[in-house]
Amino acid sequence: QKEVEQDPGPLSVPEGAIVSLNCTYSNSAFQYFMWYRQYSRKGPELLMYTYSSGNKEDGRFTAQVDKSSKYISLFIRDSQPSDSATYLCAMTLIQGAQKLVFGQGTRLTINP
Amino acid sequence: SAVISQKPSRDICQRGTSLTIQCQVDSQVTMMFWYRQQPGQSLTLIATANQGSEATYESGFVIDKFPISRPNLTFSTLTVSNMSPEDSSIYLCSVRMAGPETQYFGPGTRLLVL
Repeated sequence: QKEVEQDPGPLSVPEGAIVSLNCTYSNSAFQYFMWYRQYSRKGPELLMYTYSSGNKEDGRFTAQVDKSSKYISLFIRDSQPSDSATYLCAMTLIQGAQKLVFGQGTRLTINP
Repeated sequence: SAVISQKPSRDICQRGTSLTIQCQVDSQVTMMFWYRQQPGQSLTLIATANQGSEATYESGFVIDKFPISRPNLTFSTLTVSNMSPEDSSIYLCSVRMAGPETQYFGPGTRLLVL
């Protein structure tokens, strides 16, 4: 079993829809949770991060962490074609080497 | 954030040869990393590039195959040695400014080995 599981998709939704992207993890010691966006033929771009549990909002994006369920989510409101990309979740411990552990990434397409 | 550049952006190489990838950052950073991203796969950490000392390699990666240098706080190189088609991948440089929530990636080097 992988430490971080993420449905690779692909996920295709109409413009304006609310998108929900999710990851589950097995290591209850993870404390930092990140979401990266990767456009085709580009490097990953840090989108949002949260520490421990709770929600964090940034414009149309909301990151949610449920540590009791070992489940994190990224919501995109009013989705735009420019949001079409691969979204990768990543997480790490609070101590030690703090190496990021990535999910496989979900390929998202927003259709105009 | 940090501005990270990588050279070359892409290359096609013959098996048995070696390629050195350069990573330059526009500011001093505490940590630099090298990742591999195979087609349709997630990112796999190859090693942490340590300034002034030998890199720290992850399980499955060895110095003879992936020698790394980091002569200062803004520059690192990764060499892919004695390449085979299985080395075809995207190689990404990554830097961390402070905590793990400040980790950023370069644009990647797309390598095809024939």
